[in-house]
Amino acid sequence: NAGVMQNPRHLVRRRGQEARLRCSPMKGHSHVYWYRQLPEEGLKFMVYLQKENIIDESGMPKERFSAEFPKEGPSILRIQQVVRGDSAAYFCASSPSQGIQPQHFGDGTRLSIL
Amino acid sequence: DQQVKQNSPSLSVQEGRISILNCDYTNSMFDYFLWYKKYPAEGPTFLISISSIKDKNEDGRFTVFLNKSAKHLSLHIVPSQPGDSAVYFCAASGLGNQFYFGTGTSLTVIP
Repeated sequence: NAGVMQNPRHLVRRRGQEARLRCSPMKGHSHVYWYRQLPEEGLKFMVYLQKENIIDESGMPKERFSAEFPKEGPSILRIQQVVRGDSAAYFCASSPSQGIQPQHFGDGTRLSIL
Repeated sequence: DQQVKQNSPSLSVQEGRISILNCDYTNSMFDYFLWYKKYPAEGPTFLISISSIKDKNEDGRFTVFLNKSAKHLSLHIVPSQPGDSAVYFCAASGLGNQFYFGTGTSLTVIP
């Protein structure tokens, strides 16, 4: 999984706090995807971004969740006013700019809500 | 609305034998399929892919078969090795860049 960097690896928050998850894509990749994996479940698509643009956010809850991929710096997945149900592993993936290509994943951020 | 399904949550195979992991999909617009392998506490790692214009793709010990009429694909690992023990996800994509993942099959290769 070298290349796609996610931090932090583990994040603990209390209910009502904000969680910020960061993802730096592989070098040369301009497409970023965020997925959530709940215990005993598969990967659920959340949002797909290119630099400065949200392309598809159909999998992201309408409230409390937001994502950005600025011109400079990592992509950020932000969860406001976290609740227990937000506890999950959040994975970021990236792919090259053209064509259908395999997505390359980071090692994820494990978010725990107390 | 699970468009990609892996109906076997787990599979155990003896070392040296063949492992067959199955995946079904519902959306006939899917035209690109992938298999990922995932170890605990790590992200998924890309294994092998196949486009809908082919019915087989082989890479070393790994072969993916696609049956478009049945909307079914399978991953064959032969011979299976203990290091293959992991969770395997199949994924599918159609128009656009969104990938739909199955819920995974946990493979255990017994030495």
